Amino acid sequence: AQSVTQLDSQVPVFEEAPVELRCNYSSSVSVYLFWYVQYPNQGLQLLLKYLSGSTLVESINGFEAEFNKSQTSFHLRKPSVHISDTAEYFCAVILPLGSYQLTFGKGTKLSVIP
Amino acid sequence: DTAVSQTPKYLVTQMGNDKSIKCEQNLGHDTMYWYKQDSKKFLKIMFSYNNKELIINETVPNRFSPKSPDKAHLNLHINSLELGDSAVYFCASSRDRVNEQYFGPGTRLTVT
Repeated sequence: AQSVTQLDSQVPVFEEAPVELRCNYSSSVSVYLFWYVQYPNQGLQLLLKYLSGSTLVESINGFEAEFNKSQTSFHLRKPSVHISDTAEYFCAVILPLGSYQLTFGKGTKLSVIP
Repeated sequence: DTAVSQTPKYLVTQMGNDKSIKCEQNLGHDTMYWYKQDSKKFLKIMFSYNNKELIINETVPNRFSPKSPDKAHLNLHINSLELGDSAVYFCASSRDRVNEQYFGPGTRLTVT
């Protein structure tokens, strides 16, 4: 079965500084990878996804993630964060066979400090 | 238009009661899900339906029963509520089983 590890439960960062949220997965076969964001008291929204093709994927609000198969990682980065980026970020994987279950990491709370 | 909607948004009830949470999606998706998010924000799949057929049924108490009257609706009925059922419950839908999921706003259930 696949699993997802988000190494940092909380990441405080100053406004306009860069940030990296780490995600590692464990699977013996290829997976599909996702980053979701949850703003306070809201549901989850898709930030970006990797299914195939270019290993670098970008979102419309400046985030990017790079799929690294050899390191089984899918780290999320942003070169300059804003106060509005304060949220919980979840990495998730789907194993494209069997039950196709989406497995989430435990989340990383990003706090942007003015 | 709201893509995935849930009602109610808040639900406060006493132990032993039976309650239902409703979910509707207007995206034309084939697959719908229920997740439970605990107080530490951990998300766990409970059920998944694909074209009204149950495809994922994780280890949850049989007090929880999903019902899908049609592809656009997936309701969650909970019998004999317990304190440990307090959580936020999210409904989600996806076009198929591998594509991204669209989440509802959540239902915060508090059992007293």
